[in-house]
Amino acid sequence: EDQVTQSPEALRLQEGESSSLNCSYTVSGLRGLFWYRQDPGKGPEFLFTLYSAGEEKEKERLKATLTKKESFLHITAPKPEDSATYLCAVRGGYQKVTFGTGTKLQVIP
Amino acid sequence: DAGVTQSPTHLIKTRGQQVTLRCSPKSGHDTVSWYQQALGQGPQFIFQYYEEEERQRGNFPDRFSGHQFPNYSSELNVNALLLGDSALYLCASSSMDQGLGRTDTQYFGPGTRLTVL
Repeated sequence: EDQVTQSPEALRLQEGESSSLNCSYTVSGLRGLFWYRQDPGKGPEFLFTLYSAGEEKEKERLKATLTKKESFLHITAPKPEDSATYLCAVRGGYQKVTFGTGTKLQVIP
Repeated sequence: DAGVTQSPTHLIKTRGQQVTLRCSPKSGHDTVSWYQQALGQGPQFIFQYYEEEERQRGNFPDRFSGHQFPNYSSELNVNALLLGDSALYLCASSSMDQGLGRTDTQYFGPGTRLTVL
């Protein structure tokens, strides 16, 4: 069974203090690793899709990287508006997408 | 370009009742997946519909059923509601790549908040 573990569960940063979120996974035949951002009470907002080890993608202050066992979401000089829960998910060989429980990020001005 | 839409936004039901939730996929998408998200948890996969058929199913009882229409929109039905069914129900749409035999990135709707009393 596919599994996704995210750490830390919660992270509190000062504005401008860079950090990284971790997503460890086990999957039978990775068909894609996804990062989403979710604000309270709303649907997840798509950020990145990564398909193979070594791949990296960037968007504004966010950068996602992928290895054979984990993915990192690096946040550079975060702002208060980056506060949200960040979800990691994997798609395995049977098309089913498995999510982690997320990292709740709070950025303090 | 309209994104994924869901209705209703909120719903309150009592135990034992039945509920129907609706989803319209993003323009150009033909595959719809449904998820249940309890408070503080990640979304849990319920099932996926493509070409009006259920293609994949997660670990949910038969009380959860669905349908996809020719215009790719979808419904999620839950019978005999339990208190534990209270959650945010999310619909996600994607496009099936016939050549690769897989769907691409999923885009989520705003969700329907179901409360069972």
